[in-house]
Amino acid sequence: EADIYQTPRYLVIGTGKKITLECSQTMGHDKMYWYQQDPGMELHLIHYSYGVNSTEKGDLSSESTVSRIRTEHFPLTLESARPSHTSQYLCASSDKDRGRWNEQFFGPGTRLTVL
Amino acid sequence: EDKVVQSPLSLVVHEGDTVTLNCSYEVTNFRSLLWYKQEKKAPTFLFMLTSSGIEKKSGRLSSILDKKELFSILNITATQTGDSAIYLCAVNNAGNMLTFGGGTRLMVKP
Repeated sequence: EADIYQTPRYLVIGTGKKITLECSQTMGHDKMYWYQQDPGMELHLIHYSYGVNSTEKGDLSSESTVSRIRTEHFPLTLESARPSHTSQYLCASSDKDRGRWNEQFFGPGTRLTVL
Repeated sequence: EDKVVQSPLSLVVHEGDTVTLNCSYEVTNFRSLLWYKQEKKAPTFLFMLTSSGIEKKSGRLSSILDKKELFSILNITATQTGDSAIYLCAVNNAGNMLTFGGGTRLMVKP
């Protein structure tokens, strides 16, 4: 079944740890996105990718980094987590080839808490 | 800078009521406007609107876009407790990047 997955769903970690949030989609979508959302706030785009080997920074400055080595995989890494990174991280993808650039499909999100 | 403003911020109604959620926007090179429903965690897609005056319907939900006045409304008729969620409006620009509004938090009481 075509879908978009994120792991872990919840992560509680100590300051200074390196973490990687995983995002995978089985829909063959070209474009993928990472959003950060604080409780009750709007989604902020922090990274996006047009395809393999393409990564761009979004509107909200983030200390995280991303990579896109495979079409289906778009992991986000924090080299040294801090309490200010506590948030929900949402991954999304959209399909170019079918002319539906506009509809983004979201993963279930990762709730990160940094102590 | 693209901007999306949703109103009201929050809304409490009783089952059976009809609600109207508003979304106004300013965007360079508008491409489309989208509505999402967010329950618990990730938003789910509801509607995509590209043309003015054409209503989109899905069950008890409907939405319409006014590109001249730069706004959209989302109507929910005969609300149910399962409609309780955050409703997000987003605009898509020519670069295919979404700018989200702050959302309207809808609570439907039995």
